[in-house]
Amino acid sequence: SAVISQKPSRDICQRGTSLTIQCQVDSQVTMMFWYRQQPGQSLTLIATANQGSEATYESGFVIDKFPISRPNLTFSTLTVSNMSPEDSSIYLCSVVHTRVWGLAGNQEPQYFGPGTRLLVL
Amino acid sequence: EDKVVQSPLSLVVHEGDTVTLNCSYEVTNFRSLLWYKQEKKAPTFLFMLTSSGIEKKSGRLSSILDKKELFSILNITATQTGDSAIYLCAVGGENQFYFGTGTSLTVIP
Repeated sequence: SAVISQKPSRDICQRGTSLTIQCQVDSQVTMMFWYRQQPGQSLTLIATANQGSEATYESGFVIDKFPISRPNLTFSTLTVSNMSPEDSSIYLCSVVHTRVWGLAGNQEPQYFGPGTRLLVL
Repeated sequence: EDKVVQSPLSLVVHEGDTVTLNCSYEVTNFRSLLWYKQEKKAPTFLFMLTSSGIEKKSGRLSSILDKKELFSILNITATQTGDSAIYLCAVGGENQFYFGTGTSLTVIP
């Protein structure tokens, strides 16, 4: 398994501001993901963070609102831009150790960071 | 459309009871099915299942997968108050994992 840390663990922000969440893994991983979990709901995938290239966003999420960086295999950031109260949520990064996604890959568990609880006023 | 459906949505039991949580799925290019326990923020990995009929067991928890009928169950025997949590089922497809909405389990002393 991987040891994953996220910063900040929680924050309260004002409407219209932006927050950057950091995710650090203790080992090189191939896949890193960012999820959102709104109150009372399950996890929704925001995007796959790709090392050295633009993230792959899921339907309903755009780069202008959720810019993501992944400069190397152990670190990624998610920014929640121009926040509104609807962005209040838990944001989770997750990782998968896999060398070949879709073939031999996807046979390894996905591990989650401790999460960032965001409240937007 | 790929989807994962969990049932029941919530469950309240007494300590010592046995519970069975269900997860059915329709996911293209199935790779694996995972169970997680979520108590506060981060889901904690419990099991990963890739083959039908092979039970995975950890203490009082066990799980099995049926790839023909496209479902899995998670059993918890002799439940304890510490088992109270949301249990999430996730299915790995070709490019991502798909999550169910979870089953909220409450164990009453």
